[in-house]
Amino acid sequence: QVQLQESGPGLVRPSQTLSLTCTVTGGSVSIGGYYWSWIRQPAGKGLEWLGRIYTTGRTNYNPSLKSRVTMSVDTSKNQFSLRLNYVTAADTAVYYCARVVLSEAYFDSWGQGTLVPVSS
Amino acid sequence: QSALTQPASVSGSPGQPITISCTGTSSDVGGFNFVSWYQHHPGKAPKLVIFGVTQRPSGVSDRFSGSKSGNTASLTISGLQAEDEADYYCSSHTSSSTWVFGGGTKVTVL
Repeated sequence: QVQLQESGPGLVRPSQTLSLTCTVTGGSVSIGGYYWSWIRQPAGKGLEWLGRIYTTGRTNYNPSLKSRVTMSVDTSKNQFSLRLNYVTAADTAVYYCARVVLSEAYFDSWGQGTLVPVSS
Repeated sequence: QSALTQPASVSGSPGQPITISCTGTSSDVGGFNFVSWYQHHPGKAPKLVIFGVTQRPSGVSDRFSGSKSGNTASLTISGLQAEDEADYYCSSHTSSSTWVFGGGTKVTVL
C-alpha cells in the first residue's frame, strides 16, 4: 500500500520560500496512471488544491498561486517537491501531499500533513 | 476558480440519515463525473469515501453513497454512527484540468 510523508522546515519567514518534499513508499512516482499533488488547509478553513505533477515533470497549478508555485519530481529518490515563493502569513497552513488516480481524477492516498507557520 | 459550496454544518441522531450537498458549476461538478468526497478527522489524513460521483472504495462502509443532479452533488450517510462525526469535503475535476474543493461540512452526531 502506497504511503506518503511530507517533510520540510518547521517555520518560514515572510517573503522567503517555503519548500516541502513528499517521500513516497510502497509505490513509485515513475509509473503512469497517477498525478502527484499538493493540497493545503489554513487553520479553520477548507482544503485548497495547489497543483499537480506527472512523472514526466509536466505540471498544472492553481491559477490563484501560479506565479509563486513550482513543483518538481525526483524519480531517483521517489520524491516530489513543492516550492512556494514570497510567502506571507496567509500561507500558514497544514500542507498535504497526495496521489491522484488519473483515470477517475480522485485523491486516493494522502500524507499525514505538515504544519508550516509563516512568521517573523 | 471558486470553491464548491457546501453547508457549514449538518447534524443528525444516531441511526438517522444525513445528506451533504456540494454545488459547483458546469465547468466542474456539472461537467464531469469526477466528483469525490473525503472524510477528515482533525489531525489525520483525509480519507476517500466516494469517487466518480457514486463509487465507493473497497473498505468504505456501504452507509456512504453519492449522487449528482446538474451542478450539485450529494453525499448521504445512512444510519449515522458516532465514528462518522468528522469534516467532509467534496472535490471536482475542472475544465481547466485543475481540481477544486468545497469549503467543508462539519458533521455532528447528536
